[in-house]
Amino acid sequence: ELKVEQNPLFLSMQEGKNYTIYCNYSTTSDRLYWYRQDPGKSLESLFVLLSNGAVKQEGRLMASLDTKARLSTLHITAAVHDLSATYFCAVRFMDSNYQLIWGAGTKLIIKP
Amino acid sequence: SAVISQKPSRDICQRGTSLTIQCQVDSQVTMMFWYRQQPGQSLTLIATANQGSEATYESGFVIDKFPISRPNLTFSTLTVSNMSPEDSSIYLCSVERTDYGYTFGSGTRLTVV
Repeated sequence: ELKVEQNPLFLSMQEGKNYTIYCNYSTTSDRLYWYRQDPGKSLESLFVLLSNGAVKQEGRLMASLDTKARLSTLHITAAVHDLSATYFCAVRFMDSNYQLIWGAGTKLIIKP
Repeated sequence: SAVISQKPSRDICQRGTSLTIQCQVDSQVTMMFWYRQQPGQSLTLIATANQGSEATYESGFVIDKFPISRPNLTFSTLTVSNMSPEDSSIYLCSVERTDYGYTFGSGTRLTVV
């Protein structure tokens, strides 16, 4: 079964703190995506991770991929209020005609 | 990355009627994807639209309810037919750009009353 598990589903944190969102998936993947969605808006691509050990950073966000553990993390450093949004991971599975499966999303609220 | 123009951005429709959503991409793409996102939920793939062939529907979605057209490599429509309040959702089209991931239209927020 193709599964993508994202946690936590909800995260409330203070500005200035660090935190990590986790994305586990069930079987072989050739790429993993992280997206941001603001309320009432569409999805914005953040990162595309293609290979084991891949690490990408943009501002206060850093994403990494461990294909052996089937795990990706999205790390937030010194959070600021503007990062409040819902974050989704999506995994493209090789075993099922490259079907893209989405995580449930993590709603992140950063309090000033 | 690709720019997708999606319209309408929102609509309020009477039950039993149909709504057609359009997506125009600024460059040619092989596949276009149609998603539904219910309030507070993740994305669910409705179908994949290839130019020149019938769309491929995911489990739980049927052509009679969600007919799709793909007349060329830059355009697609999704129709939500015989609507009921359960169809109230955000509908999104998407295309893949190698190395950029999937780009999304701005979404259509549908409310059925």
